[in-house]
Amino acid sequence: GQNIDQPTEMTATEGAIVQINCTYQTSGFNGLFWYQQHAGEAPTFLSYNVLDGLEEKGRFSSFLSRSKGYSYLLLKELQMKDSASYLCGASFNNDMRFGAGTRLTVKP
Amino acid sequence: EAGVVQSPRYKIIEKKQPVAFWCNPISGHNTLYWYLQNLGQGPELLIRYENEEAVDDSQLPKDRFSAERLKGVDSTLKIQPAELGDSAVYLCASSLRSRPGDTQYFGPGTRLTVL
Repeated sequence: GQNIDQPTEMTATEGAIVQINCTYQTSGFNGLFWYQQHAGEAPTFLSYNVLDGLEEKGRFSSFLSRSKGYSYLLLKELQMKDSASYLCGASFNNDMRFGAGTRLTVKP
Repeated sequence: EAGVVQSPRYKIIEKKQPVAFWCNPISGHNTLYWYLQNLGQGPELLIRYENEEAVDDSQLPKDRFSAERLKGVDSTLKIQPAELGDSAVYLCASSLRSRPGDTQYFGPGTRLTVL
């Protein structure tokens, strides 16, 4: 199988840092996507990691460890508008499989 | 540049009725995907097209679902007859190709409610 696991819900405070973890099975793995999805809207692309290490893009960073089957999305200087679901998507061969998403709530 | 367009945005039907969803991908994108997303879940692939060819439809319930992508551009997903359990959001996505690392861009989805 290609189980992709991420926490169901997280809560953080405005201005803080939050890390959303994702684990996946490594067989056939190509790369790891993160998407943001606000309620009732389409998922929007945040990042793609194919090599080990940290990719930084403004307030958002994404990390990948291929050998451990592990990734995280790091959100800094949280804003209220960051309240959304964050989807971890792993690319296997020609397919992408998504986790159930982590619903992040940012509180003032 | 326009993103992925889907219509309708919302659809309410009674069970056993047919329903169809339409998707127009980003211009130039060869690969088109239909996903189903239940509340609180991630998108689940139903079918993937490379141009007009369905290359992965293993998760499509073929007894009631059908899809087509005539001329390799727009696509239609149909359910006939609809069941209560089909209530979900149907997302269409497109990518340049289906190579690893090709980003998928999603449309706003069609929210289907079956009564």
